[in-house]
Amino acid sequence: AQRVTQPEKLLSVFKGAPVELKCNYSYSGSPELFWYVQYSRQRLQLLLRHISRESIKGFTADLNKGETSFHLKKPFAQEEDSAMYYCALRISSGSARQLTFGSGTQLTVLP
Amino acid sequence: EAGVAQSPRYKIIEKRQSVAFWCNPISGHATLYWYQQILGQGPKLLIQFQNNGVVDDSQLPKDRFSAERLKGVDSTLKIQPAKLEDSAVYLCASRTESRAYNEQFFGPGTRLTVL
Repeated sequence: AQRVTQPEKLLSVFKGAPVELKCNYSYSGSPELFWYVQYSRQRLQLLLRHISRESIKGFTADLNKGETSFHLKKPFAQEEDSAMYYCALRISSGSARQLTFGSGTQLTVLP
Repeated sequence: EAGVAQSPRYKIIEKRQSVAFWCNPISGHATLYWYQQILGQGPKLLIQFQNNGVVDDSQLPKDRFSAERLKGVDSTLKIQPAKLEDSAVYLCASRTESRAYNEQFFGPGTRLTVL
């Protein structure tokens, strides 16, 4: 069965410092990985997906199949990046396209 | 476009009572999901609908949970009877089938407290 692990429940960094949120997955098929973010009092929303290879709000994430990881990185953290971040793995089987979420990392960017 | 709507936003009940949650997905979204998010954990899929049919309900505790999407639009999730461990946020999400790699859009959730 698929599994997503986010080893850090809490992560604090100072403004301007680099930040890396770790995500590891286990899945026997071809993975599709996503990062979702939930800002305070807002809905869960998509931040980025590995297939797009894009940078969103300065964040990037590279899928490393050898290490089964999809870490989220940003070179210079901003206070507005403080939020809950969830890594998610999508499996597709027939008409089912489902997300398996990690337990999340609460990022706090200190002034 | 309007987002996914859920009601109520908060619900407090006693164990063994019944409760129902409602979800209105984004217009035109054929796929609808219900998730359970227990405090400190990520969302866990309960059931997936495509139009008015169930795609996957393998993780739905069917002895007490039920869900329906009769006309392929709105959906309700019911718990009967509730247990203490059902305290969680229940999230609804919807997705269109019209694009590849399309994302799920989430509602604000319903926070259930079972006393």
